Amino acid sequence: AQKITQTQPGMFVQEKEAVTLDCTYDTSDPSYGLFWYKQPSSGEMIFLIYQGSYDQQNATEGRYSLNFQKARKSANLVISASQLGDSAMYFCAMRESRGTGFQKLVFGTGTRLLVSP
Amino acid sequence: GAVVSQHPSWVICKSGTSVKIECRSLDFQATTMFWYRQFPKQSLMLMATSNEGSKATYEQGVEKDKFLINHASLTLSTLTVTSAHPEDSSFYICSASVSGEGYEQYFGPGTRLTVT
Repeated sequence: AQKITQTQPGMFVQEKEAVTLDCTYDTSDPSYGLFWYKQPSSGEMIFLIYQGSYDQQNATEGRYSLNFQKARKSANLVISASQLGDSAMYFCAMRESRGTGFQKLVFGTGTRLLVSP
Repeated sequence: GAVVSQHPSWVICKSGTSVKIECRSLDFQATTMFWYRQFPKQSLMLMATSNEGSKATYEQGVEKDKFLINHASLTLSTLTVTSAHPEDSSFYICSASVSGEGYEQYFGPGTRLTVT
């Protein structure tokens, strides 16, 4: 079974500093996708970044970058220049292939990030 | 683009009643919709996957007779919690994928259900 592990229940960072949120995964499927979502207190899930297992380069989206280390099975999210609005829960997720074309996401337990002034 | 809405955003109901939650893709046709449940301070757990015009596929441990899912059109899926009990109180989130492959799921804003 595929599994996502986020070992940091909470992280603190000062505004304008960079922060890394850890994510490790386990799968036997050679083709998979890794996602990061942000969930503010309002509850909606906001897509941040995606990395495919065959992508040669690490994904980047503005201030977000994904440090993909395939051999270590890790997909850490790096947020540069943190802002107060970055305070939220962050979930790492992996796309699980069912072989039928219907693919579900398996989520980690999340990391709560607090950005202080 | 790729906006998903949910209605209602929150609902309070009495134990024993049924509650229907709607999930709509507003600007795209969603061949596949997913229903998740999230308890406070916990992660999202997939309840079921629904495809337009066919029966939903439920995850292990999810009671299909209690959580009725209907995906009547390419833009609407509904989740009905039948005979709700306090333990069904939770945050329910739907998502929709464009192609059915689930490459990217667009999430709705969620519905908070409280059963008294």
